[in-house]
Amino acid sequence: GDSVTQMEGPVTLSEEAFLTINCTYTATGYPSLFWYVQYPGEGLQLLLKATKADDKGSNKGFEATYRKETTSFHLEKGSVQVSDSAVYFCALSFNDYKLSFGAGTTVTVRA
Amino acid sequence: NAGVTQTPKFQVLKTGQSMTLQCAQDMNHEYMSWYRQDPGMGLRLIHYSVGAGITDQGEVPNGYNVSRSTTEDFPLRLLSAAPSQTSVYFCASSPGQGVSYNEQFFGPGTRLTVL
Repeated sequence: GDSVTQMEGPVTLSEEAFLTINCTYTATGYPSLFWYVQYPGEGLQLLLKATKADDKGSNKGFEATYRKETTSFHLEKGSVQVSDSAVYFCALSFNDYKLSFGAGTTVTVRA
Repeated sequence: NAGVTQTPKFQVLKTGQSMTLQCAQDMNHEYMSWYRQDPGMGLRLIHYSVGAGITDQGEVPNGYNVSRSTTEDFPLRLLSAAPSQTSVYFCASSPGQGVSYNEQFFGPGTRLTVL
């Protein structure tokens, strides 16, 4: 079946450091790919998405590129802030009502 | 718009009790889903609905029932609670069309503990 594997955390960084969270997927066909973010005590929010190969999603300084050759969708940010501390989930979908999630990566940014 | 709302925020049950987790959305979205979040496992789909009167099972449906009598509401029923159902439950909706056609919008969650 479809599955998503993302790097295990927790990840602890200093402010202004570079962040990368690796995400790879296994699927039959070409799904849409997503990064969701969960701030402490809240629900999930869509951070960015890409719907086809070579698409780049971007939002709030975060970027991820849909790489069909490597079945990857790695999340990057060049300079993190304390406010970026959250749990990040990579996910895939072939339709509008079912997301398959990775396990989540907890990121803590220290001032 | 309130978006996706869930009640209650917290609930403690004893084994064998039943209860209903409420979910409502005011965005006129066609699709709605229930997920559970467990440490180290991400979110897993319990049940989903593609429209009023239509529901189907997701990845982990056992022990849960759903119904969708209106577009707005999608309650999740625990028939006989078990400790394995201790989790955080999220409801989500998706418009099914437009610019955000494949995006899901999540509620704030219900934290359930079964003793």
